[in-house]
Amino acid sequence: DVKVTQSSRYLVKRTGEKVFLECVQDMDHENMFWYRQDPGLGLRLIYFSYDVKMKEKGDIPEGYSVSREKKERFSLILESASTNQTSMYLCASSRDSSSSGANVLTFGAGSRLTVL
Amino acid sequence: GQNIDQPTEMTATEGAIVQINCTYQTSGFNGLFWYQQHAGEAPTFLSYNVLDGLEEKGRFSSFLSRSKGYSYLLLKELQMKDSASYLCAGMDSNYQLIWGAGTKLIIKP
Repeated sequence: DVKVTQSSRYLVKRTGEKVFLECVQDMDHENMFWYRQDPGLGLRLIYFSYDVKMKEKGDIPEGYSVSREKKERFSLILESASTNQTSMYLCASSRDSSSSGANVLTFGAGSRLTVL
Repeated sequence: GQNIDQPTEMTATEGAIVQINCTYQTSGFNGLFWYQQHAGEAPTFLSYNVLDGLEEKGRFSSFLSRSKGYSYLLLKELQMKDSASYLCAGMDSNYQLIWGAGTKLIIKP
């Protein structure tokens, strides 16, 4: 069964802490994405990556960075967590971007982050 | 600007039919996706439309009208397990997804 695995389901951190959210996929997908999901809003793209060591800013990259050292792993980093980063974070992957139909996303179960 | 609109919440009865509408405005268009998300779980892919018309998959069907910027998801023979949020997403000319806020579907016995 193909899978996107996020390392932590629930995290509680303090303002100013550095936070790492890890995501691993076992489908040999080229593309990986980080979204945040907040009530009443659509999924908002933070960063994405089309290849190892490549990263592209999404719609809301401020306060976040990412790392993709290996094809299967995509990490989201909050350098100094703030209360407005309290949210559900969803990682996703897709096969490639060469055609629309190949862009079906497989999501992880999410990481719910609370920043106090 | 780019925008996806869908109702916030809908209620339907077990065994009935429900239609969830979605209107979209995107810069260019490369298809319309529907995902299902149960509470506390990951969104899962339901359907993809890029040409006008109806695509049927068992109890679920999805319709697209590109001229009207409109899609709907039709769920037949509703079951309690269909209680979930349904996310509509349009793909723009850069293959980027624009997401709606989701429609929470409540099924009553």
